[in-house]
Amino acid sequence: DAKTTQPTSMDCAEGRAANLPCNHSTISGNEYVYWYRQIHSQGPQYIIHGLKNNETNEMASLIITEDRKSSTLILPHATLRDTAVYYCIVRASGTYKYIFGTGTRLKVLA
Amino acid sequence: SAVISQKPSRDICQRGTSLTIQCQVDSQVTMMFWYRQQPGQSLTLIATANQGSEATYESGFVIDKFPISRPNLTFSTLTVSNMSPEDSSIYLCSAEPGETQYFGPGTRLLVL
Repeated sequence: DAKTTQPTSMDCAEGRAANLPCNHSTISGNEYVYWYRQIHSQGPQYIIHGLKNNETNEMASLIITEDRKSSTLILPHATLRDTAVYYCIVRASGTYKYIFGTGTRLKVLA
Repeated sequence: SAVISQKPSRDICQRGTSLTIQCQVDSQVTMMFWYRQQPGQSLTLIATANQGSEATYESGFVIDKFPISRPNLTFSTLTVSNMSPEDSSIYLCSAEPGETQYFGPGTRLLVL
C-alpha cells in the first residue's frame, strides 16, 4: 500500500498558487518525498523531491513540515497546462521501488 | 536526467497474441523498470530489469506472462504474452540514472 494520502481532487484558479498537500505520517528518517505529475495519461513527469529541507526548482516548491509527517507542493502561478494528476511518493534512499497512490487530480480553471 | 522513448506508442491486438514493447534510454543506466497502468488506475510496478541479471517481478506478475529482456545498459523490452482484454492498459518503462526515476511516454495497448 502507498505510504501517502492525498486529497482526491482540487481546483485552482489560473494564475493563483496551487498548494497540494500530502500526508506521510509513517515516514522514516531515510525516506525522501518525491512528487510527480501525470498529464492526460502521458508518462509521469518528475517535479521535485526532498528529505527534510524545503526545496525549490523551476517548476515548484516543496515544503516539508519539521516533523516530516506532511508536505505541500506549491505551483506558484498555476496555468491550464498544470492540470494533471499529482502523485506524492515516499522512498528510502538506496531503494528503488515507487509505490504510487491514487494522487490528487488538479484542475486549473480559467 | 534521462530521456526515454517507447515503441510502439499504441497498438490494438487480438486476444491470444503477444506484443513486445521496446524502451530506449538516452544514457547508460543500471536500473530500468516496467509499470502497468490500467484504465482509471494508478501505476503498478511489474518488474525491475537490471542489465546482466534476470528481471525481478513484483507479486502478481510472472515471467511467463511478462518476459523481459535487458541486453544492454540503454535498452529493455517487455513482452505481453497470450493477451486477453484484461491486459488492456498503458505500459510504461522508467529508468533511474541517479536517485530519481524518469518515465517514458507509455504504450497504450487495447486487446480485443
